[in-house]
Amino acid sequence: AQKVTQAQTEISVVEKEDVTLDCVYETRDTTYYLFWYKQPPSGELVFLIRRNSFDEQNEISGRYSWNFQKSTSSFNFTITASQVVDSAVYFCALSEFAQGGSEKLVFGKGTKLTVNP
Amino acid sequence: DVKVTQSSRYLVKRTGEKVFLECVQDMDHENMFWYRQDPGLGLRLIYFSYDVKMKEKGDIPEGYSVSREKKERFSLILESASTNQTSMYLCASSFLGILGNTIYFGEGSWLTVV
Repeated sequence: AQKVTQAQTEISVVEKEDVTLDCVYETRDTTYYLFWYKQPPSGELVFLIRRNSFDEQNEISGRYSWNFQKSTSSFNFTITASQVVDSAVYFCALSEFAQGGSEKLVFGKGTKLTVNP
Repeated sequence: DVKVTQSSRYLVKRTGEKVFLECVQDMDHENMFWYRQDPGLGLRLIYFSYDVKMKEKGDIPEGYSVSREKKERFSLILESASTNQTSMYLCASSFLGILGNTIYFGEGSWLTVV
């Protein structure tokens, strides 16, 4: 079965520090997608990135970057020069084929990031 | 922008009550999902639907049912609410077909059962 592990339950940093959120996944599928979502205190999950299993290039978007390593089944997320507004719970997720040709997401348990001023 | 709207943000219900959580999406998505989120457990899938009137059990369907009479609307039903169903409920939707479609979430409904 698919599984996503986010070993860090909570992380606390001081503003401007860099922080990396770890994500390790398990799957038997050869084609799959990985996602990161951000959940601010308001509750809504905000989509950050989607990465397919055939694309191992790192991606950078502003202060955010993602490192996908198939060899270690990891998809880590780094925030550079963290800001207070980055405080949220971050979820890593793995796609899984489901009934009817649909797909569903299997989520990790989330990492709560607190950025202190 | 994709909009997934959950009808109630905060609800307080009594044990044994029948509870309806409504979700509407405006992007003509085939797939719709109900997740439950609890501290330390992450998001767990309750039910999903890939077409009108179709429903599939997720990981924790016990105590819940769903209804999808129209494509844009997916309802979660607690037939007889219990205190262990106090939680945050998240609705989501996505297109059917190509793997890797982004799943969009609503703002969540905080349900307290007393």
